[in-house]
Amino acid sequence: NAGVTQTPKFQVLKTGQSMTLQCAQDMNHEYMSWYRQDPGMGLRLIHYSVGAGITDQGEVPNGYNVSRSTTEDFPLRLLSAAPSQTSVYFCASSYAGTGAGNTEAFFGQGTRLTVV
Amino acid sequence: AQSVTQLGSHVSVSEGALVLLRCNYSSSVPPYLFWYVQYPNQGLQLLLKYTTGATLVKGINGFEAEFKKSETSFHLTKPSAHMSDAAEYFCAVSDSFGFGNEKLTFGTGTRLTIIP
Repeated sequence: NAGVTQTPKFQVLKTGQSMTLQCAQDMNHEYMSWYRQDPGMGLRLIHYSVGAGITDQGEVPNGYNVSRSTTEDFPLRLLSAAPSQTSVYFCASSYAGTGAGNTEAFFGQGTRLTVV
Repeated sequence: AQSVTQLGSHVSVSEGALVLLRCNYSSSVPPYLFWYVQYPNQGLQLLLKYTTGATLVKGINGFEAEFKKSETSFHLTKPSAHMSDAAEYFCAVSDSFGFGNEKLTFGTGTRLTIIP
């Protein structure tokens, strides 16, 4: 199993450009999430999904869109990149346990995005 | 909403000394608590988790954490630090009330440095 795979690993965008960060998992996990990591702020939830066709907003959703057409893939779209979106982005997936405490999130290696 | 607070953004200990990383949580319901480790330029890896039952939780790499409800704490310890423990550590609480871990709230992280 490859686990959670994120592409690209690095990206530089100009302000106003759009792009899609890819996330794929091969563990048949129902639950997937996107986080951004900024210095001194830990990880903050952008969007999440509890299954194919079902998505919802997290703590910092503005400027980002998601969709979940398959169990495996959960792409994150930046509509019009801004310097404030310079960050490291992590995708995570988890399986259904008997409760939220009886499962765990598996993280990808991250995408480092710089918006100039 | 639930939250976690990590005291000390940077902690330095000598090789062989006790490691103590502090985490306090705020939750109106019994929490599911996690410690993750992030090595440089890597994703996050689960160290250990508390769900219910035994309050002393053992994790990987010799780490353990004790859940203390009266103190709302979940501090991470390791009796003897090793050079390979140098990393950033995140405490997290699950905001998921279903069966996955799609909504985690993270602390701001503690960077652990090991002094030879």
